Amino acid sequence: AQSVTQPDIHITVSEGASLELRCNYSYGATPYLFWYVQSPGQGLQLLLKYFSGDTLVQGIKGFEAEFKRSQSSFNLRKPSVHWSDAAEYFCAVGPRSNDYKLSFGAGTTVTVRA
Amino acid sequence: DADVTQTPRNRITKTGKRIMLECSQTKGHDRMYWYRQDPGLGLRLIYYSFDVKDINKGEISDGYSVSRQAQAKFSLSLESAIPNQTALYFCATSDQGTNEKLFFGSGTQLSVL
Repeated sequence: AQSVTQPDIHITVSEGASLELRCNYSYGATPYLFWYVQSPGQGLQLLLKYFSGDTLVQGIKGFEAEFKRSQSSFNLRKPSVHWSDAAEYFCAVGPRSNDYKLSFGAGTTVTVRA
Repeated sequence: DADVTQTPRNRITKTGKRIMLECSQTKGHDRMYWYRQDPGLGLRLIYYSFDVKDINKGEISDGYSVSRQAQAKFSLSLESAIPNQTALYFCATSDQGTNEKLFFGSGTQLSVL
């Protein structure tokens, strides 16, 4: 069965510091991979996605993620965090087919301190 | 105006009541989804629909039903609400043609007392 694990429930980071959020997945084959962000009171917004090709993908808001097949991981990074990055972040996986249903991780809440 | 609109934004109801959550979209997407979000569990898929005549159960469909009234409308019903259905519910859409991202509504916070 497919599953997505985000090991960190909550991360606190100082403004200007780097951020890394971990995501590991268990899937029958290499899935499509996504990171979504949920700001308070809002729906989820796509940050970035990996379908194929370069394993380092760039997203919006200065985020990037690296797909590592050998580790079944898709970790999200940002070199310098801004206060507006305080949110909840979700990793998601989906099948490489037209049967387009995503499975989400439990989420990581990021707090940014001044 | 939002591309994916959910109504109501908040709802408090009592155990045993019938509740309908509504979702409408202006994106012209064929595919629509209902998810629920619980703290520590992330989002779990309740039902999804790939077109008007297609309805599929997700991983947690028990206690829920849906209706796809039109391409743009997808409603979620709780026939007899129970307290463990208290959650944040999200509707989402996607475009079949590009296998692209999900577009989410702002959510409906449902509390069942």
